[in-house]
Amino acid sequence: GESVGLHLPTLSVQEGDNSIINCAYSNSASDYFIWYKQESGKGPQFIIDIRSNMDKRQGQRVTVLLNKTVKHLSLQIAATQPGDSAVYFCAGLSNFGNEKLTFGTGTRLTIIP
Amino acid sequence: DGGITQSPKYLFRKEGQNVTLSCEQNLNHDAMYWYRQDPGQGLRLIYYSQIVNDFQKGDIAEGYSVSREKKESFPLTVTSAQKNPTAFYLCASRQDTVSNQPQHFGDGTRLSIL
Repeated sequence: GESVGLHLPTLSVQEGDNSIINCAYSNSASDYFIWYKQESGKGPQFIIDIRSNMDKRQGQRVTVLLNKTVKHLSLQIAATQPGDSAVYFCAGLSNFGNEKLTFGTGTRLTIIP
Repeated sequence: DGGITQSPKYLFRKEGQNVTLSCEQNLNHDAMYWYRQDPGQGLRLIYYSQIVNDFQKGDIAEGYSVSREKKESFPLTVTSAQKNPTAFYLCASRQDTVSNQPQHFGDGTRLSIL
């Protein structure tokens, strides 16, 4: 079946450094991806999305890269801050209009002061 | 301030009891969703609704029920048939179902068994 997952369950990064969080997916028909940030006790917060006709998309301090050849996407966070500590997970949507987002299990990012 | 409001934040259920989790959105979104989150697992879809008075089962609908009588409201009932209800429940909404749009989430209800 279709799966979306993350490579590492935890990641520790020094404050001020850049973070890279990875995600792999299995369904080549996936055409829309979303990154979410979830802080403890809260709901997931939308960070950035990317459609399959793009390789890269930038937001404020974040960049998402999509490599359809190897079915991999990554979230890069520049100059990480203590407030970036959270669980990050990707979600993928297959087929235009399909209701079912498939979520990865998440990477817990810890920022070391 | 537009958003999704879930209540209560914490809920306790006794054996054999049904409980209802509230989800309200003022974003004028057509589609609404309920997910269950367990430690170490990705979000799993319980039910979703694309439009008022219509809803569909997700991947783990057994032991749950929903209604969608109003556009802004999508309550979830956890019935006594759900034998392992302890989890973090998340409600989400999306503008429509015909374009690639992100789902936006509420801050969840944590359900525990007494």
